[in-house]
Amino acid sequence: DAGVTQSPTHLIKTRGQQVTLRCSPISGHKSVSWYQQVLGQGPQFIFQYYEKEERGRGNFPDRFSARQFPNYSSELNVNALLLGDSALYLCASSLDARGEVDTQYFGPGTRLTVL
Amino acid sequence: GEDVEQSLFLSVREGDSSVINCTYTDSSSTYLYWYKQEPGAGLQLLTYIFSNMDMKQDQRLTVLLNKKDKHLSLRIADTQTGDSAIYFCAVLNQAGTALIFGKGTTLSVSS
Repeated sequence: DAGVTQSPTHLIKTRGQQVTLRCSPISGHKSVSWYQQVLGQGPQFIFQYYEKEERGRGNFPDRFSARQFPNYSSELNVNALLLGDSALYLCASSLDARGEVDTQYFGPGTRLTVL
Repeated sequence: GEDVEQSLFLSVREGDSSVINCTYTDSSSTYLYWYKQEPGAGLQLLTYIFSNMDMKQDQRLTVLLNKKDKHLSLRIADTQTGDSAIYFCAVLNQAGTALIFGKGTTLSVSS
């Protein structure tokens, strides 16, 4: 079975631009979460979506937004890019958003570089 | 808020056991996880433990949980060079929506 897939693999943008990252969950998984991993740090939670609804949001500015589609895939959008947005963006999928028994499986990530 | 702390580096010889330690602050954390990250890659789930368990063993991996001290450890038996990677401890937040990660422990295995 295919795991979590993300596109693109790498992306280079300049300050002030906008970016859209894409994620396809494992087949049968209905929940998608997004994390930001800055070099040398652990991943930081950005959003969780389940059945197209936002179920959780981390401490990120409104420049970050996301959505989930009827096929459970998801997009993460970041507007007005800053140098500090350079990071590995990880998508994780899980069966549902109940959390306690719901293991999150991660994709390979999208490496975003902001110049 | 929830905080997770890990030691940053561990160096062992091939064939030895590795023990990676983690402490966390939220005693209500129900599930605690260990993930592995190789250079340039995403996170690979290694194992997890529920908070009402003290120990879980999975092949070469042993997880120990001391809930009183909020201390979690991952023991890798017979460590191989292929085990060289960054290991992240993560706990589920109270809402059950997000994983809170430590900064990761870089394990270096020499032959």
